[in-house]
Amino acid sequence: GDSVTQMEGPVTLSEEAFLTINCTYTATGYPSLFWYVQYPGEGLQLLLKATKADDKGSNKGFEATYRKETTSFHLEKGSVQVSDSAVYFCALSDRDSGYALNFGKGTSLLVTP
Amino acid sequence: GAVVSQHPSWVICKSGTSVKIECRSLDFQATTMFWYRQFPKQSLMLMATSNEGSKATYEQGVEKDKFLINHASLTLSTLTVTSAHPEDSSFYICSAPRGWEGAFFGQGTRLTVV
Repeated sequence: GDSVTQMEGPVTLSEEAFLTINCTYTATGYPSLFWYVQYPGEGLQLLLKATKADDKGSNKGFEATYRKETTSFHLEKGSVQVSDSAVYFCALSDRDSGYALNFGKGTSLLVTP
Repeated sequence: GAVVSQHPSWVICKSGTSVKIECRSLDFQATTMFWYRQFPKQSLMLMATSNEGSKATYEQGVEKDKFLINHASLTLSTLTVTSAHPEDSSFYICSAPRGWEGAFFGQGTRLTVV
């Protein structure tokens, strides 16, 4: 079945550092890929998405490119802020699963001043 | 934009009692709702798929008699945790799928069973 693997955290960075959170997936079909963010004590928020190969999703300075050849969807940001501290989830969905989201384990990010 | 409203946002209940969580689609009709569970510092795991007008589909290992799902209308799905025990304490989240675009998520319900 489909699965998502993302790098283990926690990740601790200084403000203005470069961020990369790796995410790879396995899927039998042609999934859509997502990054969700969860701030402490809150629900999930969609950060960005890509629905087909070579699409680049971007939002709030974050970017991720759907790489079919490497089955990856790595999240990047050039300069993180303290307010980016949260847990980030990579996820996929496809028609075979009825569009239920399949999540990675999450990566906790802490940005220090 | 479309919104999914989940209620309550948190609840504390005594062991052995039942708790109902509601998930409403506010400006669209949802024939399908997904229910997820999240343990502390872990990922979201799909528990069941709620289908309007028919029985819910449960993931392997999820007790259907403990987690009762009802999808009586196109705008309301409910999850009832029956005879709750401390190990049922968790964060429960509902979502309505948007096809290739992902999903609309509810705000989540933090259940604590004491």
